[in-house]
Amino acid sequence: KAGVTQTPRYLIKTRGQQVTLSCSPISGHRSVSWYQQTPGQGLQFLFEYFSETQRNKGNFPGRFSGRQFSNSRSEMNVSTLELGDSALYLCASSLTGRQGESEQYFGPGTRLTVT
Amino acid sequence: SQQGEEDPQALSIQEGENATMNCSYKTSINNLQWYRQNSGRGLVHLILIRSNEREKHSGRLRVTLDTSKKSSSLLITASRAADTASYFCALLETSGSRLTFGEGTQLTVNP
Repeated sequence: KAGVTQTPRYLIKTRGQQVTLSCSPISGHRSVSWYQQTPGQGLQFLFEYFSETQRNKGNFPGRFSGRQFSNSRSEMNVSTLELGDSALYLCASSLTGRQGESEQYFGPGTRLTVT
Repeated sequence: SQQGEEDPQALSIQEGENATMNCSYKTSINNLQWYRQNSGRGLVHLILIRSNEREKHSGRLRVTLDTSKKSSSLLITASRAADTASYFCALLETSGSRLTFGEGTQLTVNP
């Protein structure tokens, strides 16, 4: 099976712009989770989607949003970018059940730089 | 949600030596997982151990879980330079709804 793919791999944006990141999970996986990783804050959970519904949400402002399509592919959007949004954004997929009950398979990440 | 606390934060060893990393937590858990991350890349799942299990092995990896002490350890035997990476523990609390990741241990294996 193909692994989790994320596009684009690298992105440079300026403050105030918005950005959309895409994630394609492993075939058959219905849960997609998004994480933000920065040197200072570590790995922080953004949200999780399951069967096109947001099932879990972390403590991020409303500028961060996401969605999941019927084929389980997911997108996350960040509006009005700030310098502090510069990070590695990771997507992970897993089989059904409660998030965390089974192993998560991570994509390579999207490195977002905000200037 | 709580997160695991890894110890040490950084570890530097010689090739061939064993590496031990620890993860402590505070409440009851459903499972605890270990992941590896090579610099700037995605995480790779290593081992999942459930609360009713005490030890699991995978190749050169050995994970133990002591629920009475609320701690887990990851042992990498006969380390190789390719094991150089950050290692994270992640836990699912019994009453939680998602995994939470610790800060990680940076392992450097010197050739």
